[in-house]
Formats: sequence, structure tokens, C-alpha cells
Amino acid sequence: AQKITQTQPGMFVQEKEAVTLDCTYDTSDQSYGLFWYKQPSSGEMIFLIYQGSYDEQNATEGRYSLNFQKARKSANLVISASQLGDSAMYFCAMREARWSGGSNYKLTFGKGTLLTVNP
Amino acid sequence: DTEVTQTPKHLVMGMTNKKSLKCEQHMGHRAMYWYKQKAKKPPELMFVYSYEKLSINESVPSRFSPECPNSSLLNLHLHALQPEDSALYLCASSQGALREIGNTIYFGEGSWLTVV
Repeated sequence: AQKITQTQPGMFVQEKEAVTLDCTYDTSDQSYGLFWYKQPSSGEMIFLIYQGSYDEQNATEGRYSLNFQKARKSANLVISASQLGDSAMYFCAMREARWSGGSNYKLTFGKGTLLTVNP
Repeated sequence: DTEVTQTPKHLVMGMTNKKSLKCEQHMGHRAMYWYKQKAKKPPELMFVYSYEKLSINESVPSRFSPECPNSSLLNLHLHALQPEDSALYLCASSQGALREIGNTIYFGEGSWLTVV
């Protein structure tokens, strides 16, 4: 089973509108972290936002917010007031705590959602 | 601007060549990573260095040889590569201990490698 599922291969949004990118995850750990990254066509992977499993409030960073629903195991990214420069691939990723053995070095990525912002 | 710098940005090499990718970070991070990313796929972890020691090798072929000369530098030496090794190679770093859940991994701009 996939650990991170991004069900939207592509999304379109009009400039200045809000858009939600979906992410669901699968883990049996109690402690884990969820990350969103943006990757423009240039290649750089840009960190956007982080949510810890024990964080009670949804994370926000400027125009980005993370809609964290722990019971549903979802961590959707909301981009408000979309800009043309937001056109990129967006990856959801998870890091799990494996205190019983092994390290939690691994960031597991979803397959990504390609967002296109139309003028 | 990214604080993880990678050179070169683009590299074309023949299958008999020896080349290196270089990565530098000045954030004081003690963990550094190499990822490989094929087109339209998520990044795949290759190597992890923690405190300048190789911690993780994700069963990467020996034609890829990592090196961490000091805490700020990470190299990836390439030798006898195959065309299927053509990909974007991303360097990344994170702070301190690998076991910290919240340690964000920061990536560089990547090196686009083409093997001909």
C-alpha cells in the first residue's frame, strides 16, 4: 500500500483563486511529520510547510496552509490567492518515527500534483 | 534563494567518463543527502551522511560513489554510468540528528545529468 497518496495528477486554478491539493497518508506510528514541497520546472525542491502529528493547530506559512485531519489521515495543502508563479509540481511527504528500530531518515514522497495557474 | 548550492547545473557525460557532482551548504546542518529523480517521478533517496559519516546507502550501484569531505560539502563521484542513470540529482541537508521528526530537509536546485 502506498504511504502517501496524491489523487490529483493535475489541477488547474484561476489566478487569485484558492486551490486545495489533496494528500492522504498511511502510518501506524503515533509520531510523524508531514511536509509539502514545491518543484518548479527548473528542478529545485522548495520546502513549503510542515505539520507534526502532535500539533493541535493547522500549520500556516503565508499563503500556504495545511488542512490536517488526523482521524482521516489527510494533510491537504491550501494555497490562497494563487499566483502565476505557483505553477509547479507539488509533493506531499511524510517522515515516520521508528523508535523501535531503524532510523527515520527517510522522507516518503507521494507521486505529486502538477498545478497550473491560469491568468 | 536556496542555501544548498549544487554544481554543475547541467552535465553531459559519456559512459566511460568520470565526473563529479558537488554540493555545499552553509546552514550548519549535520545531515546531508543525495536523491535521484527521474522525469515525472518523486525523488528517491540514494545516500545519507550524518556527521560526515555515511549512514545510509539505499543499495545504490557502485558506479555512484559519495564523499563527504567536511560538514559543509558533499560530492557524488560518477563513473561508467549508463544512459538510464540520466536524471535530476538533488542534494539536500537537514539539521542535527536524523531521528528528529521535524527536521526539515532542504534541497538544492539539482544537477541535471545526461549520460550519452
